Amino acid sequence: AQTVTQSQPEMSVQEAETVTLSCTYDTSESDYYLFWYKQPPSRQMILVIRQEAYKQQNATENRFSVNFQKAAKSFSLKISDSQLGDAAMYFCAYNSETSGSRLTFGEGTQLTVNP
Amino acid sequence: DAGVIQSPRHEVTEMGQEVTLRCKPISGHNSLFWYRQTMMRGLELLIYFNNNVPIDDSGMPEDRFSAKMPNASFSTLKIQPSEPRDSAVYFCASSFAIGGFDEQYFGPGTRLTVT
Repeated sequence: AQTVTQSQPEMSVQEAETVTLSCTYDTSESDYYLFWYKQPPSRQMILVIRQEAYKQQNATENRFSVNFQKAAKSFSLKISDSQLGDAAMYFCAYNSETSGSRLTFGEGTQLTVNP
Repeated sequence: DAGVIQSPRHEVTEMGQEVTLRCKPISGHNSLFWYRQTMMRGLELLIYFNNNVPIDDSGMPEDRFSAKMPNASFSTLKIQPSEPRDSAVYFCASSFAIGGFDEQYFGPGTRLTVT
């Protein structure tokens, strides 16, 4: 079974600075998908960014980018120019065609943005 | 589009009572997912449907839980009888199709408290 691990329960960053959230996963599959979801205090889960494992180029979405290291099974999220609205719980998630759309989530990292 | 709609947003009930959670997916989406979020177990998939048909219910914790999707615009998750350990936030999500890379759009969740 696939597992997703986020080793940082909490992180903090100063407004306008850059922060990186870590995620590792374990899988025997070669083709899969990775996601970062954000859960603000409103508790609505929002997709931040996603990556297809067969693509070597790291995904980017405005201030959000990932560092995908397939051999190391690592999928970190970098937030540049952090804003107060970025404060939330961030979840790393795994999916694959063989998983049948079953998203497997990590434990989450609580991000605090200090003004 | 209004997004995924869930009701009620909060539910407080006594142990032994029946609880019904409701979900309206995004119009045009063919897949619907029910997740549960707790501090102990994190986010876990309970069941998902494709074209109103249950595809995988292996995450349903026990027979007290049941889910239905009578049509493309409505689904219910029922707990009968409820127990204090069922207290959690229950999310409904929908996606255009069953596919590992498809974005799942989450509703705001229902916070269930069983006393």
